[in-house]
Amino acid sequence: KNEVEQSPQNLTAQEGEFITINCSYSVGISALHWLQQHPGGGIVSLFMLSSGKKKHGRLIATINIQEKHSSLHITASHPRDSAVYICAVKSGWFYFGTGTSLTVIP
Amino acid sequence: DTGVSQNPRHKITKRGQNVTFRCDPISEHNRLYWYRQTLGQGPEFLTYFQNEAQLEKSRLLSDRFSAERPKGSFSTLEIQRTEQGDSAMYLCASSQLQGAWQYFGPGTRLTVT
Repeated sequence: KNEVEQSPQNLTAQEGEFITINCSYSVGISALHWLQQHPGGGIVSLFMLSSGKKKHGRLIATINIQEKHSSLHITASHPRDSAVYICAVKSGWFYFGTGTSLTVIP
Repeated sequence: DTGVSQNPRHKITKRGQNVTFRCDPISEHNRLYWYRQTLGQGPEFLTYFQNEAQLEKSRLLSDRFSAERPKGSFSTLEIQRTEQGDSAMYLCASSQLQGAWQYFGPGTRLTVT
């Protein structure tokens, strides 16, 4: 069993839809990251969370430490949001989820 | 470009050969991380440095793998006697503080034939 589980694995949405990607983890953590990976491998850090909620533009990330769960929300989705979104936690080592592949259709 | 850079971007090698990758972090970042990513999987942590000191090594980092950061700036990752299972994307990231925002490089894609 992976220390970090993401759902869904694949997601297709129409432009403008509200999107939620979920991340559950089984270890105690000091921080959780949401990452975005575009085709070709480039990875961008979107958020680092240790509690509560953060917002950046159309992206919102929340974390519930007690439930060991985080969500990434995208409001008013756009085709340029199409990418793989990866949840990563630091617990001694760094553990990564396998990612959620998002495709936003115009 | 002041981001994290990695060289080479692609490397094809024959099984048994040694390969070395280089990562140049953002200049003021004192933490540098190496990850490996295989197709369809998320990145796996390999090791990280604070300045020139290697502070953590994953159990994934076998004896064939060695990483250095001799002057606390660029880092190299060497794989000796490569195996087909080493074929992966090797990612480097850097950050300023523990747990802080990590900036990822474009990766080096290794193919072992």
